[in-house]
Amino acid sequence: DGGITQSPKYLFRKEGQNVTLSCEQNLNHDAMYWYRQDPGQGLRLIYYSQIVNDFQKGDIAEGYSVSREKKESFPLTVTSAQKNPTAFYLCASSPVAGAVYNEQFFGPGTRLTVL
Amino acid sequence: GDSVTQMEGPVTLSEEAFLTINCTYTATGYPSLFWYVQYPGEGLQLLLKATKADDKGSNKGFEATYRKETTSFHLEKGSVQVSDSAVYFCALTPNQAGTALIFGKGTTLSVSS
Repeated sequence: DGGITQSPKYLFRKEGQNVTLSCEQNLNHDAMYWYRQDPGQGLRLIYYSQIVNDFQKGDIAEGYSVSREKKESFPLTVTSAQKNPTAFYLCASSPVAGAVYNEQFFGPGTRLTVL
Repeated sequence: GDSVTQMEGPVTLSEEAFLTINCTYTATGYPSLFWYVQYPGEGLQLLLKATKADDKGSNKGFEATYRKETTSFHLEKGSVQVSDSAVYFCALTPNQAGTALIFGKGTTLSVSS
């Protein structure tokens, strides 16, 4: 079955540690996205990538980094510079970079808790 | 900039009641509009979409009509079920290449039997 996988589902880290969240898709989608979800805040865009080896900052990129070395993979690193990293992180992809409709498909999410 | 405003929840209904969740937007040009649903502990699933004015999106008994004159995309269902309990997000994407979705803050729906 085609889809987007995120791992792990739950992640616990100590304050000050960097942590990398995995996102893989086998939908052959060009574009991939990372969102952060906090209670009552909706979803906010962290980074997105339209093609391999290229990515752009979203609204809340500070304290995060990404890479896009393969079309299928878009890992997100939460660095120690992120002041409040505890949140639910969602990865998404869309079929064709540059498509008018930009319909996005979401993974199941990773809940990160910093202790 | 572009934005989406949803009615605040939670919305609490009895089974078989009529549902309306209001959504209005601000955008330049002609955005595409979406409703996504999120069940507890899961990611988002596309519920329905509309890409131009007067389009009606529908799925699983839910409907929404793209109203450019009122910049609205209200979600409706004639008879809700307990299984519809979830968080509903209205979203738009500007019709520009490779742009991300802009979401409302979400509306929690709770349906009791």
